[in-house]
Amino acid sequence: GAVVSQHPSWVICKSGTSVKIECRSLDFQATTMFWYRQFPKQSLMLMATSNEGSKATYEQGVEKDKFLINHASLTLSTLTVTSAHPEDSSFYICSARGTGPKPEAFFGQGTRLTVV
Amino acid sequence: GIQVEQSPPDLILQEGANSTLRCNFSDSVNNLQWFHQNPWGQLINLFYIPSGTKQNGRLSATTVATERYSLLYISSSQTTDSGVYFCAVIITNAGKSTFGDGTTLTVKP
Repeated sequence: GAVVSQHPSWVICKSGTSVKIECRSLDFQATTMFWYRQFPKQSLMLMATSNEGSKATYEQGVEKDKFLINHASLTLSTLTVTSAHPEDSSFYICSARGTGPKPEAFFGQGTRLTVV
Repeated sequence: GIQVEQSPPDLILQEGANSTLRCNFSDSVNNLQWFHQNPWGQLINLFYIPSGTKQNGRLSATTVATERYSLLYISSSQTTDSGVYFCAVIITNAGKSTFGDGTTLTVKP
């Protein structure tokens, strides 16, 4: 099946710094990618929809200036957590859908962000 | 938006037992997937099953789209089956995945 690669797998950063997370579709093109966040013992919640060549669409309650999304090519979307704070510590996962009439969603390995 | 409910929230089994996990959804869906989240957080795709029945080894899944539910069967459970199982639905062809709250399965030796 298709592969979505996410990097880094984990990152520790100091409060106030920015962190960039990459999401790549390795063997297919994805005009749309999705970013999710998961807090401990909770489900995955959609943060934003990343659209190639245009602005991302953010879910209600997600600060677009804090979580910058760039989807500059058909195989790469990036999420930058700006001025990170300890409450931003979470597990971030991206996904992209394949092609076809009922495309399957493929997920990256996830990035565990710890802000100290 | 669409509601996705999973049951039971927690399940404790003895190794070798069988189990059934359920996923109910409140609207018609374009796609449904079952995942197993491993201890490192990675989502392992178990089934892509918008309708019908599929089997993969000790696991099988059935989705009855007209009645808006899906079932995941685990037979002869093993300790390595422990973890959180999520179902996720997609409404439209290009749409986002909406996850249920998951079922936490613990298989004891």
